[in-house]
Amino acid sequence: SYVLTQPPSVSVAPGKTATITCGGNHLGSKSVHWYQQKPGQAPILVIYHNRDRPSGVPERFSGSNSGNTATLTISRVEAGDEADYYCQVWDSSSDHNVVFGGGTKLTVL
Amino acid sequence: QVHLVQSGAEVKKPGASVKVSCKASENTLVGYYLHWVRQAPGQGLEWMGWFSPNNGASNYAQKFRGRVTMTWDASFSTAHMELSSLRSDDTAVFYCARAEYGDNIDSWGQGSLVTVSS
Repeated sequence: SYVLTQPPSVSVAPGKTATITCGGNHLGSKSVHWYQQKPGQAPILVIYHNRDRPSGVPERFSGSNSGNTATLTISRVEAGDEADYYCQVWDSSSDHNVVFGGGTKLTVL
Repeated sequence: QVHLVQSGAEVKKPGASVKVSCKASENTLVGYYLHWVRQAPGQGLEWMGWFSPNNGASNYAQKFRGRVTMTWDASFSTAHMELSSLRSDDTAVFYCARAEYGDNIDSWGQGSLVTVSS
């Protein structure tokens, strides 16, 4: 089955830029979505279709996807951005599975 | 506005079954698929499968086949996920979530905690 690999943790100082990666075989050929999950809460969508932002998500959140790596970039990081972030794809090649990355804990220093 | 409201927390003994429900606001699942996602304590998101309220089709992750059943009660606009032969490592929060086929999840339920303990 398809595997998405994320770093377990990323740390960044307030006001700086956080970069969270998601790796997968030929990932650039897939549509990648990103979810933010704060403790005790359900996930929420922050980026879909590699780079689109749902309404209400700050412009500080952006995404890209090329080759074997998708990237979630959070500019001008705020304390409220501290959360777990998950990438996700639909793997139509293997039984129509939804695949999540293992998640990345973003810590704002 | 999409609302998915899930049933409350449950405590089950090993070997038992649990049925979690997810009530959808009217017509919000037309053309959509209802997914179930498990999250064990301190762990990541794990996809369990999807169910189509529109045609009754389903697809379960290999890991859960034989133990999970996803259904839809149209009379109450409520989806159900039943997991049988529970083990202690099934202790988790279970989420229902809405998505178009092959696309991103755009709405999540609030989650239902299931604790498996003797």
